[in-house]
Amino acid sequence: AQSVAQPEDQVNVAEGNPLTVKCTYSVSGNPYLFWYVQYPNRGLQFLLKYITGDNLVKGSYGFEAEFNKSQTSFHLKKPSALVSDSALYFCAVRDSTDTGRRALTFGSGTRLQVQP
Amino acid sequence: AAGVIQSPRHLIKEKRETATLKCYPIPRHDTVYWYQQGPGQDPQFLISFYEKMQSDKGSIPDRFSAQQFSDYHSELNMSSLELGDSALYFCASSSSGTGGRTEAFFGQGTRLTVV
Repeated sequence: AQSVAQPEDQVNVAEGNPLTVKCTYSVSGNPYLFWYVQYPNRGLQFLLKYITGDNLVKGSYGFEAEFNKSQTSFHLKKPSALVSDSALYFCAVRDSTDTGRRALTFGSGTRLQVQP
Repeated sequence: AAGVIQSPRHLIKEKRETATLKCYPIPRHDTVYWYQQGPGQDPQFLISFYEKMQSDKGSIPDRFSAQQFSDYHSELNMSSLELGDSALYFCASSSSGTGGRTEAFFGQGTRLTVV
């Protein structure tokens, strides 16, 4: 079974400050990890993914995420937040060893609010 | 670049009616996923298809069915609609060629309102 936890319903940060959105996962095998962003009444947009290799992954719009195997975490980060980053962020996981399960399992989402 | 196309964008149905949602994946993507997102909730996986065969099943009610056609488009059929079926329904597509490493690309969703 695969699962994702996003412990924070909402994260508030001032514009220009660094932001972190937390995600922890649980899989039987090795994880493929993804971050998506959702703007109001829109579909989910892919931000970045971790498959293998460097633990620090860089993605779209200046976002990055750090994979930590020992802590089973994949936190999303950005050095300097923008008001336009305000949106709903979803972490997702797929178990790389479960060849029968290709669908992503999503976390509950974290609403990021960036104040001017 | 071509994206995942879903139709209709909005749909209003009465209780006990039926609804059909359509999804056109990105060209050359062979896998389609359906998700349901209730108000304020995370997307819940319903069902997926790979090469026109059902590949995985999630929390899809027995009142719902889906299929993938020869041109890879997919349809989600929903019968005996209930108020609780009101949600945003997303379709996503991906290519299976990389063993699950490829991200899924999502459509804009169909907002279904059951009244």
